[in-house]
Amino acid sequence: DTAVSQTPKYLVTQMGNDKSIKCEQNLGHDTMYWYKQDSKKFLKIMFSYNNKELIINETVPNRFSPKSPDKAHLNLHINSLELGDSAVYFCASSPPRLGLAGGGTYNEQFFGPGTRLTVL
Amino acid sequence: AQSVTQPDIHITVSEGASLELRCNYSYGATPYLFWYVQSPGQGLQLLLKYFSGDTLVQGIKGFEAEFKRSQSSFNLRKPSVHWSDAAEYFCAVGPYNQGGKLIFGQGTELSVKP
Repeated sequence: DTAVSQTPKYLVTQMGNDKSIKCEQNLGHDTMYWYKQDSKKFLKIMFSYNNKELIINETVPNRFSPKSPDKAHLNLHINSLELGDSAVYFCASSPPRLGLAGGGTYNEQFFGPGTRLTVL
Repeated sequence: AQSVTQPDIHITVSEGASLELRCNYSYGATPYLFWYVQSPGQGLQLLLKYFSGDTLVQGIKGFEAEFKRSQSSFNLRKPSVHWSDAAEYFCAVGPYNQGGKLIFGQGTELSVKP
């Protein structure tokens, strides 16, 4: 009964290859995210989808293409892998943000275990 | 631009000692604030969050954090650290109306001496 799962956990590949990372959440959340954690452990948002619609694209190279076949899945496809793509990629999800008087509340994000990508 | 600063890259405390991890943010309005913990090889787990109201918030595992608007800070505290608290701690801000993204600090690695 894993909440947010990612496959594979480890991915080792050669430069120039194309690879995909899959993410699934069984929490019934509407919004899903991809984050990249670099070698210095710095976490940065890459993409966000809400109900299969792209809502955040943080100046990520277009070699990275997220795909959301349904709101429970957000996959990340990477073309022409480069050395600098080596990192840990985290998927996350969050429930719908509810409105409150004076502003919206902000739901926390639930993270998957991460996929460690190594490009040789 | 919004940003989060965690001034301490690495902190070592003795088991049973108190802990305070610092977090400062830069944001034009009242932010939504979070602390996450990442154990080695694991994903991130939410410790606590601040949206509004009482500026002292309680979280899981005996952690608490205090929001101080005047200092733009959201420091994490624990009165007595356990060896299992050794991990990486991330402070994050969630800008309002920016699609739900979180902006993270660079993290503080906590080591616990027996």
